[in-house]
Amino acid sequence: DIQMTQSPSSVSASVGDRVTISCRASQDLSSWLAWYQQKPGKAPKLLIYSASTLQSGVPSRFSGSGSGTDFTLTISSLQPEDFATYFCQQANRFPITFGQGTRLEIK
Amino acid sequence: EVQLVESGGGLVQPGGSLRLSCAASGFTFSTYWMSWVRQAPGKGLEWVGNIKQDGSEKYYVDSVRGRFTISRDSAKNSLYLQMNSLRAEDTAVYYCARGLVATSDYLDYWGQGTLVTVSS
Repeated sequence: DIQMTQSPSSVSASVGDRVTISCRASQDLSSWLAWYQQKPGKAPKLLIYSASTLQSGVPSRFSGSGSGTDFTLTISSLQPEDFATYFCQQANRFPITFGQGTRLEIK
Repeated sequence: EVQLVESGGGLVQPGGSLRLSCAASGFTFSTYWMSWVRQAPGKGLEWVGNIKQDGSEKYYVDSVRGRFTISRDSAKNSLYLQMNSLRAEDTAVYYCARGLVATSDYLDYWGQGTLVTVSS
């Protein structure tokens, strides 16, 4: 199975900050990677797929980059509603696997 | 509006069985891959498995293969997860999710989840 490792596990930031979250895969994914946002008690929400394609309706302050084994999610200017947990997910081969999550907290 | 509504969760003893359902509406159910994803309390996401539009292909994570079965009924716009030989480690919120159009593996809509607790 493809192992997905996110860093950091948690990060504290302030409204208006720029934040980056990293995701590393144990095998080459090409661009088969997605990012999700999850708030407490809610289902995950798809933010980005194919490493850099913004899902419809997602604000443009979210962006994704990378290919192969190293990927990044960037939030350009944090808004209060962005404080949540973020997961990466590989879609290169079954079984689909997720990173362990990065908790984004208010500083 | 796309909606996915899971049901069927509850408390079950180890070794028992449970069948989860996911009622889909607001889209043409028969044209999308569908998945089940679970999340143990306070933990991350684990993909359980998925099923092709016509049910001809199914894939599972190793930890549930042989115990869980995914099925679908397009006439009822419903997805199912039959869970047998349940273990304590199967305790989780179970989500059904739709595959993004033209792909099986990016999940663009999720239900609210249903909690399964395996305990004696």
